[in-house]
Parts: sequence; C-alpha cells; structure tokens
Amino acid sequence: DTGVSQDPRHKITKRGQNVTFRCDPISEHNRLYWYRQTLGQGPEFLTYFQNEAQLEKSRLLSDRFSAERPKGSFSTLEIQRTEQGDSAMYLCASSSGRLNQPQHFGDGTRLSIL
Amino acid sequence: QQPVQSPQAVILREGEDAVINCSSSKALYSVHWYRQKHGEAPVFLMILLKGGEQKGHEKISASFNEKKQQSSLYLTASQLSYSGTYFCGTPTGMDTGRRALTFGSGTRLQVQP
Repeated sequence: DTGVSQDPRHKITKRGQNVTFRCDPISEHNRLYWYRQTLGQGPEFLTYFQNEAQLEKSRLLSDRFSAERPKGSFSTLEIQRTEQGDSAMYLCASSSGRLNQPQHFGDGTRLSIL
Repeated sequence: QQPVQSPQAVILREGEDAVINCSSSKALYSVHWYRQKHGEAPVFLMILLKGGEQKGHEKISASFNEKKQQSSLYLTASQLSYSGTYFCGTPTGMDTGRRALTFGSGTRLQVQP
C-alpha cells in the first residue's frame, strides 16, 4: 500500500515566479486535502476535493492560489506571483471519504521564496 | 476556530507519563490526533468520536469529554520514539470524517533517556 506522494519535496524560487506542486493520493481514496504548515504551527486547511469536485476553499486561499484534480486522481496546487509569505510546507492528505476515517498525509513540499 | 492545546511543550524521562489537552470553544463531534516528527509528515494516531469510547494505540490512549468540549491524550510509560509534536484536529463541520480539519498549534514532546 503506497502512501500519499508529493512532488517536488523542495522548491526554491524567486519572488514573483509561479510554482506548481503535485499530489498523488492513496489510490482508493476519493477525498484529497491541501494544507499549509509554517514553523511551529499546525497544518492550516486550504482546500479539498471529492473526486474531481472542489468542495471547499479556505479564506486563506487567495486568488493567486488554484488547485485542480481533473480526473479525480492526482491533484495540483499552483501559486502565481509568489510572495515571501508563501514560504511554508504544503501538505497533501487523502481519505476514503467514509465517515470517521483518518486523513493520511504526504511528506509535503517545502517552498522557499528568495 | 482553532482548538487550543496545552501544554505547549513538555520534557519527560523515559518511562514517565504525560497528558496533552485539546479544547474547543465550539461543539465537538470528533477529535483527531496526530504526531509529527521533525521534517516528516503528520502520522495519524486515533479518532475520538462524540459518544464513543476511549481509544487506545500502543501505550497511548485518549478520551473525549463532550460537555467540556475537550479531548485528552494520555502517553503512558513514554518511550524515546514518542518524541515529536502532537496535534489535535477538529472537523470544519458536522460531517465528521468527510471534512477538512482545523488543527491546534501543537504540543512539543521530548522524551529523554
């Protein structure tokens, strides 16, 4: 049973550039979540999908952020015109969508803005 | 709203016990507990459900007090491997198990030999 996979593990970019991250959930999981985590804090919810439908977006998700899950399998998170404040660990999690099931997290993508 | 965890940090010797608390200002339907080691993904420990029983995982157990809107995580006879940051998470809505989680800011636990 492969876990949640995220790519890349690390991304360093200059302010103003666009970046895209990929998440591959556990294969039978139809729910996929994106979180952001900064040093010393718990993960903060960004958005989540059930299959290909984006069901909820956090108010943290500015217009510069967009997420897709086109075929209900992998998902991408894009940040346009990156800012210093975007530096964080971006975590992806998936779950089966049945009641009371845990979310399983990937190792995350660490984004550093120069 | 973000659940509140206490204490923020705790240092133990191997074999000692610890309690981590998680409280919410809103009604709780479930509480999810995770442990995260430095540079790694959060790892699921257990879910406590409204009306459910106390859960256990190895020598780690937890309780859920609906009236107090609080959950407590109990670490018994701690081992070095228990070191890490513990987070509690509560669903953003009533549809527990299907909604995203709001996490507390974590409790850093360090177990020393």
